[in-house]
Amino acid sequence: DTEVTQTPKHLVMGMTNKKSLKCEQHMGHRAMYWYKQKAKKPPELMFVYSYEKLSINESVPSRFSPECPNSSLLNLHLHALQPEDSALYLCASSPGQPGEKLFFGSGTQLSVL
Amino acid sequence: GDSVTQMEGPVTLSEEAFLTINCTYTATGYPSLFWYVQYPGEGLQLLLKATKADDKGSNKGFEATYRKETTSFHLEKGSVQVSDSAVYFCALRTAGTASKLTFGTGTRLQVTL
Repeated sequence: DTEVTQTPKHLVMGMTNKKSLKCEQHMGHRAMYWYKQKAKKPPELMFVYSYEKLSINESVPSRFSPECPNSSLLNLHLHALQPEDSALYLCASSPGQPGEKLFFGSGTQLSVL
Repeated sequence: GDSVTQMEGPVTLSEEAFLTINCTYTATGYPSLFWYVQYPGEGLQLLLKATKADDKGSNKGFEATYRKETTSFHLEKGSVQVSDSAVYFCALRTAGTASKLTFGTGTRLQVTL
């Protein structure tokens, strides 16, 4: 299994809702990532988990809350989002060695109304 | 900080034309360099990579050579196909177990018959 699986593929939520994005990989990778991609822009790093510990937080607002329950799962909890948070949210994983490639999921397209 | 500069798009080519997409970078240390491709509605897929100076990455007819003296990693393909139409991202990754992948702005390629 060489896939990173993200659910849901599409999500529409109101500004008062609480929702979660899920990401799963079974490649034994020890590093997992959340990226945010606006239309026609490159992905922007949000968070990195290394060996299930948060190692990078790129000054992301607290309305985004990551969670890594185990080495195969990565969640992104969403609360009180703004319309400008609408974007494609990409999860990625890597084996955990320097310079190795990232495997990306196909993303969750989020719309905040 | 680290940065990647890509040529502006979109690039429109006829099938079987030669492709070059320029990429230059600024980084401390010795980064690994990557080209990722994103097809419409999908996540990113690694196209090729190079981890040290003078390395040449190649895949599916695409090539790029890590040029330390010019800090460049230009993507080339001798004969493009309609199926190559996508957005291409140049990226670098510095050393570290779960280090940051920094993307360029992306170059959209449109190949016509």
